Amino acid sequence: QVQLQESGPRLVQPSQTLSLTCTVSGVSINSGAFYWTWIRQPPGKGLEWTGHIWRSGTTSYNPSLTSRISISIDRSKNQFSLDLSSVTAADTAIYYCARAIFGIPYFNSWGQGTLVTVSS
Amino acid sequence: EIVMTQSPATLSASPGERATLSCRASQSVNSNLAWYQQKPGQAPRLLIYSASTRAIGVPARFSGTGSGTEFTLTISSLQSEDFALYYCQQFNHWPPLTFGGGTKVEIK
Repeated sequence: QVQLQESGPRLVQPSQTLSLTCTVSGVSINSGAFYWTWIRQPPGKGLEWTGHIWRSGTTSYNPSLTSRISISIDRSKNQFSLDLSSVTAADTAIYYCARAIFGIPYFNSWGQGTLVTVSS
Repeated sequence: EIVMTQSPATLSASPGERATLSCRASQSVNSNLAWYQQKPGQAPRLLIYSASTRAIGVPARFSGTGSGTEFTLTISSLQSEDFALYYCQQFNHWPPLTFGGGTKVEIK
């Protein structure tokens, strides 16, 4: 049974970089064919896919964030990470990590989510 | 980008009633659509994928229909635990993967 857990700073200053890590347990991040994904949800609003990474390191990003987002993978720690640069208050959200099957990206495993607030 | 539109925004119903939630895509997504349930303070939970296939552990009172641009999630007899937010998501044309704005099912 796969489990995902987000971690990282809860408060980020405007114009700085938001960095989060998702630790995967119960399965190797190298095994199978999965998209390791970040999804966010501003407080009281809907869900937004930000991007994902495959075990090969290949990434796909939301075009609205392409200039600011980077997702990376650390196979030795069974983790994947999100970096979002030049953040503003609009980036305040609950950030979820999730897993989807390669080629059919709906999400059957989710982390509990972590609220990140952008504020000075 | 494919825009997903859900209606109604809020559905008020009583326990035991049938609930019908709609999701419309701005262009055809074939059957590449999923439905999620989200309760306050929790991550979304996958209910339905490929428009009509229930995920593991999802009760049979949840059913999904549709293809192309029009989709429906039906809850045949609302239970107390079903009052929640529901989102649809297309995975036919991406990036980006896109979600609908959600339907809140509340107790009447």
